[in-house]
Amino acid sequence: EAQVTQNPRYLITVTGKKLTVTCSQNMNHEYMSWYRQDPGLGLRQIYYSMNVEVTDKGDVPEGYKVSRKEKRNFPLILESPSPNQTSLYFCASRSARGYTFGSGTRLTVV
Amino acid sequence: SQKIEQNSEALNIQEGKTATLTCNYTNYSPAYLQWYRQDPGRGPVFLLLIRENEKEKRKERLKVTFDTTLKQSLFHITASQPADSATYLCALATGGFKTIFGAGTRLFVKA
Repeated sequence: EAQVTQNPRYLITVTGKKLTVTCSQNMNHEYMSWYRQDPGLGLRQIYYSMNVEVTDKGDVPEGYKVSRKEKRNFPLILESPSPNQTSLYFCASRSARGYTFGSGTRLTVV
Repeated sequence: SQKIEQNSEALNIQEGKTATLTCNYTNYSPAYLQWYRQDPGRGPVFLLLIRENEKEKRKERLKVTFDTTLKQSLFHITASQPADSATYLCALATGGFKTIFGAGTRLFVKA
């Protein structure tokens, strides 16, 4: 089944403790992206990657890092999480048709 | 500045009626526009894509129109069912590597 898998689904962490949210796709898509979704603000793009080793900032990149060492994986790294990064995060990969999204990671930073 | 607007108020309709959702945008020249369905706590699911040179697209009970002069897309669900209740997002792609999503409109279909 074609899918985007992200883990974990839920995460509660403390301010400043580094964390990584993993994302993997099995569709051989070149383009992948991370979004955060907050009430009333919709989906906002954090980072995107056009291909292996090629990444670029989206609209809200501050406080986040990404890497794309393999085509299928696109992890999101929070080096020093802060409470304002509490949000629902989605990884997605894109074909000419449209985006396929993961199931989401609900992150709470206390 | 660039903006996408969807009606933030929820749309309540009776089962069997046609639901019409609106997506307006400013300061874009989108290459294509997409509509997604999102259920609570889940990722958006792709429904339809319409290109700038297309006026209308259909898929089963769904219909999308795209008016680049008005800078507007309408999304219709005919013969609506309670299972259609969800949030619907529109998204604009400018032909580059960025896609901008609207905040979505919540649809409730009452039996």
